[in-house]
Amino acid sequence: AQSVSQHNHHVILSEAASLELGCNYSYGGTVNLFWYVQYPGQHLQLLLKYFSGDPLVKGIKGFEAEFIKSKFSFNLRKPSVQWSDTAEYFCAVNEVTGGGNKLTFGTGTQLKVEL
Amino acid sequence: KAGVTQTPRYLIKTRGQQVTLSCSPISGHRSVSWYQQTPGQGLQFLFEYFSETQRNKGNFPGRFSGRQFSNSRSEMNVSTLELGDSALYLCASSEDPNTEAFFGQGTRLTVV
Repeated sequence: AQSVSQHNHHVILSEAASLELGCNYSYGGTVNLFWYVQYPGQHLQLLLKYFSGDPLVKGIKGFEAEFIKSKFSFNLRKPSVQWSDTAEYFCAVNEVTGGGNKLTFGTGTQLKVEL
Repeated sequence: KAGVTQTPRYLIKTRGQQVTLSCSPISGHRSVSWYQQTPGQGLQFLFEYFSETQRNKGNFPGRFSGRQFSNSRSEMNVSTLELGDSALYLCASSEDPNTEAFFGQGTRLTVV
């Protein structure tokens, strides 16, 4: 079965520090990749997505992610975090099998940005 | 466009009862999927409907069921509720399979 691993469960950073959150998946076929964010008390929001093409994708709020197929990874980065980035971040993978939308999520990374 | 709307937002039920949750997708979206979110298990896929047909199903017991109507609205039903069913149930919609999913606020179900 497909699985998604997020190795950092809790991350604490100071404002202006750089961020990198790791995500690895196990499926060997074609995948669509996503990062979602859940701010306190809010619903899951899409940060960015990768379907095909340029493996470096840019999302909202200055986030970007790089798809490295050989490493089965889709790491999330931001050069300079802000206090408002405090949230939980989820990596998700959808197998492109023609069978529809079936996202497998990682366990999430709780990010706290301190002033 | 209005987002994904889930009703009710909160529910308290007793063990053994059944519950029905509702989801209205974004206008024009035909794919609706459901997820369960708990602190212990994280986000787990329940099932997905597209054009009133269930296309995918996760590893949940048969007590969990769903359906989709011709207007793409979806309901999920949980029968014979157990304490372990307490969770946030999320609905997501997408234009069609293999496009990005947009999530609703969720329904917080508490089983006592």
